[in-house]
This record gives sequence, C-alpha cells and structure tokens, in this order.
Amino acid sequence: QQQVKQSPQSLIVQKGGISIINCAYENTAFDYFPWYQQFPGKGPALLIAIRPDVSEKKEGRFTISFNKSAKQFSLHIMDSQPGDSATYFCAAQITGTASKLTFGTGTRLQVTL
Amino acid sequence: DSGVTQTPKHLITATGQRVTLRCSPRSGDLSVYWYQQSLDQGLQFLIQYYNGEERAKGNILERFSAQQFPDLHSELNLSSLELGDSALYFCASSVAFGSLQFFGPGTRLTVL
Repeated sequence: QQQVKQSPQSLIVQKGGISIINCAYENTAFDYFPWYQQFPGKGPALLIAIRPDVSEKKEGRFTISFNKSAKQFSLHIMDSQPGDSATYFCAAQITGTASKLTFGTGTRLQVTL
Repeated sequence: DSGVTQTPKHLITATGQRVTLRCSPRSGDLSVYWYQQSLDQGLQFLIQYYNGEERAKGNILERFSAQQFPDLHSELNLSSLELGDSALYFCASSVAFGSLQFFGPGTRLTVL
C-alpha cells in the first residue's frame, strides 16, 4: 500500500525557474513531513521539514506548502540551479513510538542551463 | 557529511551467502534505522533500534536480522542471499523517537 504518493516522477526545469514537487498522504496519523535530497551514489540528505499545524515553511530557496484538509504537501524550489539536480523524496512520519519514515517514490529533477 | 558512517561502501557476493553491514550513528544519537533502496521498491523501512532494543519492524525478511550494540553501532545481517536482495542499504540515526533522521552514505550490495 502506497501511503505517500509523489508526483511527478521526473521534472525538467530551466535555470532560474521554479521546481514544484507534490505529495499526498492517506494516513492522518502522520504528524511530521520531511523532504530529502539525494545525489547519485549518496545517502538521502534532510532538506526541510514541516508539521501539519503550519501551512508553510521556508528555508532559503526551498519552501514547503502544507494543506492539511487535502492531505497534500509540496516542495517549491525557487530560482532553481543546476546544482539542485538530484532526486527528491517526500516522507511522512508518525512521531513517537513508530517513528519510521514512509517515503514517496521520488522525483528526479534536472535543471538545465 | 551527516556524521553517520557505514561500511563497507560496496559489497559483491554470491547467492546463498551471508553478509554483515555496519553502521555507526551520529555522536549522541540513540536510535538507528535501516532502510533498503531498490529500483522497484523505492526506499523501504526495515527495522529500528533504540538504545540497544528493537523498537519497530517494517518489511524485513526473515533472512535478515539486525542488532544494536552497547556502543550504539548497529549491524544488519543478510543471509541466504538472493539476486533480488541487490540494493542500496542505508542506515539513519536520530537522537530519539520522532527526531530528525540523518542518513549515512549507504552500502551497495550486489548479489551475483
């Protein structure tokens, strides 16, 4: 059962553009939503995270928008750069006793010059 | 660099064999998680340990086992290996439940 659905599977954006990746979840018990960035041959690196009581969180060029009623959240990368080319994973977590991460399927982002 | 270390970086072995993957968490982190990343299954949670005790299990095969030692490092043991076990295996650590998880560089396992 895919508890976190992520789209698109791949994304090509021009340098300076906005990259948008969307995720939707089913389990309303999830209470923490991190995003990870993964470069080829590397482990996932924590990028930014949000809790459902906040509708938006911004860190530098990265912004998470969260819609609790729709059970959806998205990552916006402003002024996308070639160095942002990587695979992005959204994740969801139930903090507390079962704190495993449930990951989306990933989005491969390519930022072109 | 997340501060989580994993060894070995690469492992090539044959079907039916047994291997051990090692993980050292970040200094101060008590919780260790193991994840498997494959092309068809994505990133899947395997098992979690907290301060030496098993806390949660995911889709971990019976052929796989893990433990966390008193010094908090963890080992993932994979036995009777099959071709389908070829994947990247990541270890992550966090201070406590619900804390941010930081991933290691992974071990790439190839079963021939």
